[in-house]
Amino acid sequence: NAGVTQTPKFQVLKTGQSMTLQCAQDMNHEYMSWYRQDPGMGLRLIHYSVGAGITDQGEVPNGYNVSRSTTEDFPLRLLSAAPSQTSVYFCASSYSLDPATGELFFGEGSRLTVL
Amino acid sequence: GQQVMQIPQYQHVQEGEDFTTYCNSSTTLSNIQWYKQRPGGHPVFLIQLVKSGEVKKQKRLTFQFGEAKKNSSLHITATQTTDVGTYFCAATNYGGSQGNLIFGKGTKLSVKP
Repeated sequence: NAGVTQTPKFQVLKTGQSMTLQCAQDMNHEYMSWYRQDPGMGLRLIHYSVGAGITDQGEVPNGYNVSRSTTEDFPLRLLSAAPSQTSVYFCASSYSLDPATGELFFGEGSRLTVL
Repeated sequence: GQQVMQIPQYQHVQEGEDFTTYCNSSTTLSNIQWYKQRPGGHPVFLIQLVKSGEVKKQKRLTFQFGEAKKNSSLHITATQTTDVGTYFCAATNYGGSQGNLIFGKGTKLSVKP
């Protein structure tokens, strides 16, 4: 049972490049989300999904796209990377459709640097 | 939008001293969760509080939810070096968007042996 798996763990991009951060969970959780973590800013919600085909925006969605074609996978796409997107990204899932009523399980994080 | 304010931002203690972090909101919270993140690690769930005035204990950790459900605290008795890390609260508002779990900025705890 791997839990929540994120790839890659580290990535360096140039401004304007695109990339996808992958997230997969094997716990059959309907709820999945992406957070970014910046020093002194805590964890800020980017996008979340309550099931396949359903996504919604969080606090800081601009510059990011998501899709949810399967229960297991929730990739985060950066279409044109900017230095302001340098951050540590965490994917998380929950057995509860409302994560406030069930714990979040986090992946180990993906550290992205945009030059 | 909803905010949960955490104080203090940093806390440095001598091993054996107590530690408390506070989470405050201007709006009523449906429930509140606490997470711990070790340096270089990912957040790990500690506990969830649901009821007004609720108090829960986990060994040396005591969690409280305010009577008005607008604030919460985490208290660690006799800190150890293993307590080092950043402690986050997370919550949603009553009537807020399901799925929109908002985190406080965290309190970073360092423990001097």
